[in-house]
Amino acid sequence: QVQLQESGPGLVKPSQTLSLTCSVSGGSFTSNNYYWSWIRQPAGKGLEWIGRIFSTGTTNYNPSLKSRVTISVDTSKSQFSLKLSSVTAADTAVYYCARGHYYGSGSYIGALDYWGQGALVTVSS
Amino acid sequence: DIQMTQSPSSLSASVGDRVTITCRASQNISNYLNWYQQKPGKAPQLLIYAASSLQSGVPSRFSGSGSGTDCTLTISSLQPEDFATYYCQQSYNTPRTFGQGTKVEIK
Repeated sequence: QVQLQESGPGLVKPSQTLSLTCSVSGGSFTSNNYYWSWIRQPAGKGLEWIGRIFSTGTTNYNPSLKSRVTISVDTSKSQFSLKLSSVTAADTAVYYCARGHYYGSGSYIGALDYWGQGALVTVSS
Repeated sequence: DIQMTQSPSSLSASVGDRVTITCRASQNISNYLNWYQQKPGKAPQLLIYAASSLQSGVPSRFSGSGSGTDCTLTISSLQPEDFATYYCQQSYNTPRTFGQGTKVEIK
């Protein structure tokens, strides 16, 4: 069974950098059929896609956050990480990591089939 | 960015009711459309991918249809455990975008 688990500080000061790591167990971390994503959700609001990374290190970011976001991968540990710099109160949210899965041979139809439980990160002094 | 608009934003229904939620994309996304269910305090769970394919383990009362700019999620007979918020998401391009959510409440 695939499991994802977020870890990192739950409280970050304004202007500092938010750092989270997602540890993946079960399944293949390096398969070409999978990619690894970060999504966030402010309290009482909807889901915002932050970005994704492939095991090769290729990334895609949300343009709204691109100047502040870095996603990296450590295939030896089956982990991927999120760094969000210059945070403000608006970055307070539950942060989820998730596995993206391309369905079908040669298909680029992808969906997020496994999610971590979420990590609440509060930005406050 | 592709904008995803769900309707309604909320609905009240009874156990056994047939429920339909619509998702409209701001451009043609073919069948690159997924549906998720989220219960309070929990991570979203994938229900439907590629507009109409049922994710493994998801009850058959859930179904999806549509392509292009308009897709629908249907729950054929609402069960108590189905009261939740439902999100559509396009996987046509990046940035991936979600609908604003539809909250299904008990009537």
